[in-house]
Amino acid sequence: AQSVTQPDIHITVSEGASLELRCNYSYGATPYLFWYVQSPGQGLQLLLKYFSGDTLVQGIKGFEAEFKRSQSSFNLRKPSVHWSDAAEYFCAVGPYNTDKLIFGTGTRLQVFP
Amino acid sequence: DAGVIQSPRHEVTEMGQEVTLRCKPISGHDYLFWYRQTMMRGLELLIYFNNNVPIDDSGMPEDRFSAKMPNASFSTLKIQPSEPRDSAVYFCASRGPRASGYTDTQYFGPGTRLTVL
Repeated sequence: AQSVTQPDIHITVSEGASLELRCNYSYGATPYLFWYVQSPGQGLQLLLKYFSGDTLVQGIKGFEAEFKRSQSSFNLRKPSVHWSDAAEYFCAVGPYNTDKLIFGTGTRLQVFP
Repeated sequence: DAGVIQSPRHEVTEMGQEVTLRCKPISGHDYLFWYRQTMMRGLELLIYFNNNVPIDDSGMPEDRFSAKMPNASFSTLKIQPSEPRDSAVYFCASRGPRASGYTDTQYFGPGTRLTVL
């Protein structure tokens, strides 16, 4: 069965530091991959998505993610974190033959000044 | 574009009462998804519609839950009778028509926080 793993439940970084959030998926073929962000009390907002082509994807708010087929990973990165980036981040997989998205359990990011 | 609209934003009710959550998808979107988010289970898909027709309701937890989409601009999720374990944030999301087999972006509403006492 398809699944998404976000191994880090909670990450704390200092403002200005770099960030990498991990995401691994289990699927027989290359799925469609998404990163969403959820600020407190808000819905989920799309940061970026990967369907095909260039494995390095740029998103909003200065985020990027790299698809690595050999590692079944789609890690999210940002070179310099801002305090406003504190939120929960969800990786999601969209298998090719369904309309559903399968979400990871999320990583809560805390940013210290 | 107003985005996906959900109401109410907060709902507090007593066990045994009927609860109705409402969703207005983005105009032109023909897919609508209902999710439930809890600390224990994370984000779960309950049901989704395409062109107002329920396609997959395998995530609906039990018969106390029902969902309808009477037209392209409105959907409801009803819980009757409600129980404390139904306390969660319920999200509605919508998506445009599938193009060439791609799974396109789902746009989420702000959610309804339900508390059942």
